[in-house]
Amino acid sequence: SQQGEEDPQALSIQEGENATMNCSYKTSINNLQWYRQNSGRGLVHLILIRSNEREKHSGRLRVTLDTSKKSSSLLITASRAADTASYFCATDVTGTYKYIFGTGTRLKVLA
Amino acid sequence: EAQVTQNPRYLITVTGKKLTVTCSQNMNHEYMSWYRQDPGLGLRQIYYSMNVEVTDKGDVPEGYKVSRKEKRNFPLILESPSPNQTSLYFCASSLRDRGLPIHFGNGTRLTVT
Repeated sequence: SQQGEEDPQALSIQEGENATMNCSYKTSINNLQWYRQNSGRGLVHLILIRSNEREKHSGRLRVTLDTSKKSSSLLITASRAADTASYFCATDVTGTYKYIFGTGTRLKVLA
Repeated sequence: EAQVTQNPRYLITVTGKKLTVTCSQNMNHEYMSWYRQDPGLGLRQIYYSMNVEVTDKGDVPEGYKVSRKEKRNFPLILESPSPNQTSLYFCASSLRDRGLPIHFGNGTRLTVT
């Protein structure tokens, strides 16, 4: 299976704390994206990092990418109850238009 | 409003009864795709299309058909549904450039009994 892996599978933190989730993938990529999903709804794009970038920021989000280890991490700083959702990484397979999603991290932020 | 619209939102059917889930986007996107989401397995790509009349298999195409006769529409067809196709299905679209976000519909929850 080419499925990406994310860890942890579930994460529970207090409001105001930082949340870090990790993604590992198996193929060569052009870019890696992170998405958020609220309870069974459609996924919403958060941030994209290209294979030649190592770190990217967007508001309270920080993404890192290590192509040598085929891994990425998403950091959400100063978390809020509204950040409660599932988070998925997605990679495109170089040379194709196939996208592979990770298995997701369920984040719960307690108020 | 830019969106991906899929219908129906919920569908309950019986084994073997052909069904179609519709998907339409109003963003003039070249790329459209179908995914299924199952607990513990994340999203898995079923089929994708790079443009009209151009489709290709994803990771789990067995038991599904698609067609892309118009740029805005990409229906998913289950000719003979089986219980193992019970899942949450998402349609998605994006511009051709791989470095751009994918836009998702709100999902179709299919139950096959």
